[in-house]
Amino acid sequence: VEQSPQNLTAQEGEFITINCSYSVGISALHWLQQHPGGGIVSLFMLSSGKKKHGRLIATINIQEKHSSLHITASHPRDSAVYICAVFVAQKLVFGQGTRLTINP
Amino acid sequence: DAGITQSPRHKVTETGTPVTLRCHQTENHRYMYWYRQDPGHGLRLIHYSYGVKDTDKGEVSDGYSVSRSKTEDFLLTLESATSSQTSVYFCAISRVGYNEQFFGPGTRLTVL
Repeated sequence: VEQSPQNLTAQEGEFITINCSYSVGISALHWLQQHPGGGIVSLFMLSSGKKKHGRLIATINIQEKHSSLHITASHPRDSAVYICAVFVAQKLVFGQGTRLTINP
Repeated sequence: DAGITQSPRHKVTETGTPVTLRCHQTENHRYMYWYRQDPGHGLRLIHYSYGVKDTDKGEVSDGYSVSRSKTEDFLLTLESATSSQTSVYFCAISRVGYNEQFFGPGTRLTVL
């Protein structure tokens, strides 16, 4: 599971895209957010198409083995590490994470 | 938030001592997982459980054992802690194997 970019710094209000690519067939993909304090929160689980929650949008293309996480109108409170994980044989395999910093 | 707690939250111990970490859930979820998180490696699965007394190994299980005698509790034991086991340990739960996972707050373990 490869994520890009590894680090991303942007200004408040910018549109953010984080990418996740994987090499094996999967049944579903998980996007997680890890706060600076260390807690891990589930954002989305998806197996096809697109899901939206507030300013966050996740898409997946199973044929191309690729998923993207978008953040619209980014805010400093979005600063966190975003982790992509794929289900392989009922187990999650994690990417290294993308560290996002949003400056005011 | 899913009802998952981990104890202790922080522990410092010495090489060679046994350590047990506890994960407790109030959600009655069938699946429970132990992960470790290290810089440069991300999250890696240590062991998981798919029911009471049913457990299996993950990718980094050497040096660790687990037990699950009740639905709500999943214990991770380091029989003889080593410095390489210094890490942050996360417990997670899910309703079924392919379902969304919810994570506990983590335990920071330092082995001197």
